[in-house]
Amino acid sequence: AQSVTQPDIHITVSEGASLELRCNYSYGATPYLFWYVQSPGQGLQLLLKYFSGDTLVQGIKGFEAEFKRSQSSFNLRKPSVHWSDAAEYFCAVGAGGNQFYFGTGTSLTVIP
Amino acid sequence: DTAVSQTPKYLVTQMGNDKSIKCEQNLGHDTMYWYKQDSKKFLKIMFSYNNKELIINETVPNRFSPKSPDKAHLNLHINSLELGDSAVYFCASSQKGNSPLHFGNGTRLTVT
Repeated sequence: AQSVTQPDIHITVSEGASLELRCNYSYGATPYLFWYVQSPGQGLQLLLKYFSGDTLVQGIKGFEAEFKRSQSSFNLRKPSVHWSDAAEYFCAVGAGGNQFYFGTGTSLTVIP
Repeated sequence: DTAVSQTPKYLVTQMGNDKSIKCEQNLGHDTMYWYKQDSKKFLKIMFSYNNKELIINETVPNRFSPKSPDKAHLNLHINSLELGDSAVYFCASSQKGNSPLHFGNGTRLTVT
């Protein structure tokens, strides 16, 4: 069965520090992978997506993610976090037929 | 211009009432969705329509009834509201297949 796991419920980082949010997926075929960000009171906004090709994908707001098939992972990274990055982050896998599976989210707190 | 807009943003009502949430997208997408986000931020698909045709109908009480008058609109009607229906409801749209979802800003429903 398809599933997405985000092991970290909550992460706190200092402003300017690097960030890595973990995502593991379970899917039988080649996955379509996404990261979304949700700011308080807002809907989810697409940060980046992986469909095929280069396994390191660049997204908006300075985020990148690396697809590692051998580890079934799609971790999100940012070299230097800004206070405005504080939000909820969701990893998702597209399973075809307009069916998407979301992780339970990682809440990011940024301290000055 | 707002891509996916849903109204109202907040909805407070009493148990047993009937309420509707409206959603419109101006992206020309073929597929629209309703997701429910609970208090723990978990996102659960409820319904999906492709070109006015229901394609995903998850295990949702039949008190919830979606209606799509055209491919740009997907409304959600809820009968006999219960306390457990309190959540944030997100409308989203996408092109076919695994194209990324575009979300509205959500409707926070509170049932008292």
